[in-house]
Amino acid sequence: EPEVTQTPSHQVTQMGQEVILRCVPISNHLYFYWYRQILGQKVEFLVSFYNNEISEKSEIFDDQFSVERPDGSNFTLKIRSTKLEDSAMYFCASSDLRGSIQYFGAGTRLSVL
Amino acid sequence: AQKVTQAQTEISVVEKEDVTLDCVYETRDTTYYLFWYKQPPSGELVFLIRRNSFDEQNEISGRYSWNFQKSTSSFNFTITASQVVDSAVYFCAQTFQGAQKLVFGQGTRLTINP
Repeated sequence: EPEVTQTPSHQVTQMGQEVILRCVPISNHLYFYWYRQILGQKVEFLVSFYNNEISEKSEIFDDQFSVERPDGSNFTLKIRSTKLEDSAMYFCASSDLRGSIQYFGAGTRLSVL
Repeated sequence: AQKVTQAQTEISVVEKEDVTLDCVYETRDTTYYLFWYKQPPSGELVFLIRRNSFDEQNEISGRYSWNFQKSTSSFNFTITASQVVDSAVYFCAQTFQGAQKLVFGQGTRLTINP
């Protein structure tokens, strides 16, 4: 069964460092997403990506965040200068159509020290 | 604006009991989609069901059933004869036509005790 894969499963970084979280969406999907879940809290939308551009973003997704689809299979989330409050689980998701089922990866736990 | 409320923060039951997880949503849109996801202790988000706003038919899948009522803006989830493996955090979520983001509720932590 096709699945969304995310690497690494756990990333530890120092405050102020740049991190790149990687995702491989399901191969025939066209819409890609990043969500964040701070420990013990609800899942929050960050950004959606379609046709090689950001199609929707939340207020959380400020200038320190960026997304990219560098090739035909990967979808990345970059955090330029990490802050302590960026510590969270980051989920990548993909869907084939707008409004259809979003399938999530297992997540990357980011720990900013 | 969209909002999803899961008023039950935590539920604890004994195995084999039936349990219902409540979800109330708010939207001004006529076309929208509702979802349930399961987050087991391992942390991943597992899709359970998607329902569109025009389909109020209840759905049953094994021990799982869903009750969608537009009149009360609710999309409740019932587990029949619960098992320890059902222990997880369950999230209700919503999106609407033309949007892409899922709006999640706060989640309900369900613990099934042996």
